[in-house]
Amino acid sequence: DQQVKQNSPSLSVQEGRISILNCDYTNSMFDYFLWYKKYPAEGPTFLISISSIKDKNEDGRFTVFLNKSAKHLSLHIVPSQPGDSAVYFCAANTGFQKLVFGTGTRLLVSP
Amino acid sequence: EAQVTQNPRYLITVTGKKLTVTCSQNMNHEYMSWYRQDPGLGLRQIYYSMNVEVTDKGDVPEGYKVSRKEKRNFPLILESPSPNQTSLYFCASSFGGRAGEQFFGPGTRLTVL
Repeated sequence: DQQVKQNSPSLSVQEGRISILNCDYTNSMFDYFLWYKKYPAEGPTFLISISSIKDKNEDGRFTVFLNKSAKHLSLHIVPSQPGDSAVYFCAANTGFQKLVFGTGTRLLVSP
Repeated sequence: EAQVTQNPRYLITVTGKKLTVTCSQNMNHEYMSWYRQDPGLGLRQIYYSMNVEVTDKGDVPEGYKVSRKEKRNFPLILESPSPNQTSLYFCASSFGGRAGEQFFGPGTRLTVL
């Protein structure tokens, strides 16, 4: 049973535009949510996180929004750059350092 | 440089031949974990360790063993590999921050024939 879902396997945007990656979860007890970026032949790298008591967290071009009532979070990248092309994983912290990951969304940013 | 290292990076083996994938971190992290990544399934946790000599099963532990004799090392052992264990494996470690941020190794691509 997938507790964290990323329903879009891929997303294509043009350079300079906004990329919006979505994630849904089922358990309202998750206390933190994280986004990871993964390039081919590399391990995932941490991008940004948000506490369940917040609704927004921003770090440079990256902003994560959390809608607890809808059990939905999204990652906004503005402006998108070709170097942002990667697979993005959403994850939830279930407690005690345990992360549950979504299936990933492949983002392609074209020049 | 702070990092998580894994060896080997690529491995092709045959069914039933025992193998070990090593993982080491130099950040003095207490928490370490193993994941496998499969198409359409994302990253799934195999085993994790909260500290030396403390390990527990993740979501897909069948066919795997781990040990944590030293803080920096967390090897993954496949006693009798089978083709359904063909996957991309990642080791990760964490300093125990509130968000649960984990640092990942570069991955080991395993093929079991």
